Amino acid sequence: EAGVAQSPRYKIIEKRQSVAFWCNPISGHATLYWYQQILGQGPKLLIQFQNNGVVDDSQLPKDRFSAERLKGVDSTLKIQPAKLEDSAVYLCASSLRDAGGYTFGSGTRLTVV
Amino acid sequence: QKEVEQNSGPLSVPEGAIASLNCTYSDRGSQSFFWYRQYSGKSPELIMFIYSNGDKEDGRFTAQLNKASQYVSLLIRDSQPSDSATYLCAVTATTDSWGKLQFGAGTQVVVTP
Repeated sequence: EAGVAQSPRYKIIEKRQSVAFWCNPISGHATLYWYQQILGQGPKLLIQFQNNGVVDDSQLPKDRFSAERLKGVDSTLKIQPAKLEDSAVYLCASSLRDAGGYTFGSGTRLTVV
Repeated sequence: QKEVEQNSGPLSVPEGAIASLNCTYSDRGSQSFFWYRQYSGKSPELIMFIYSNGDKEDGRFTAQLNKASQYVSLLIRDSQPSDSATYLCAVTATTDSWGKLQFGAGTQVVVTP
């Protein structure tokens, strides 16, 4: 079974620029999550999709972050404009109801300078 | 703010000894509890989950849950250098894997030869 695919692996941008991350979940997994992990902290949920509908985006900074999940499969997370404090690893995860817990992708490490 | 608390460590454990990690949570509605292992520069990897009070064993790992005291622990028996990592505790309020996970900041474990 292929895992959760994410790209790019690394990205360095200047503040006020925009950036986009892509995620392809495990085939058949209806639920997809984007987490932000700042160095030294645990992951924090940004947004949760069920198929292509948003279940929870209460911690997504909507003035600069946006996310979509087209056709209930791939997802894109965008930041525009980026701030220094957005430097973090952005993790995508997907889950299958009976699996218990979910599987993370390898993440995208974003550095804003 | 619902919180998940862990000692940050580092927890230094001699090779072959038992590592004991603790996690407390504030939300009494929490139903499912997970332990993830995260190697430096890698994404979190699920190692255990537990739903019911008591102990659950999987190989060298044992998870212990006490909902009345609102804590969950992880024991690693016969610790190996490959167990050196950060261990993240996570909880969710739902009884299935579709719920968002609230993560602690993690406990760093260092197994010394």
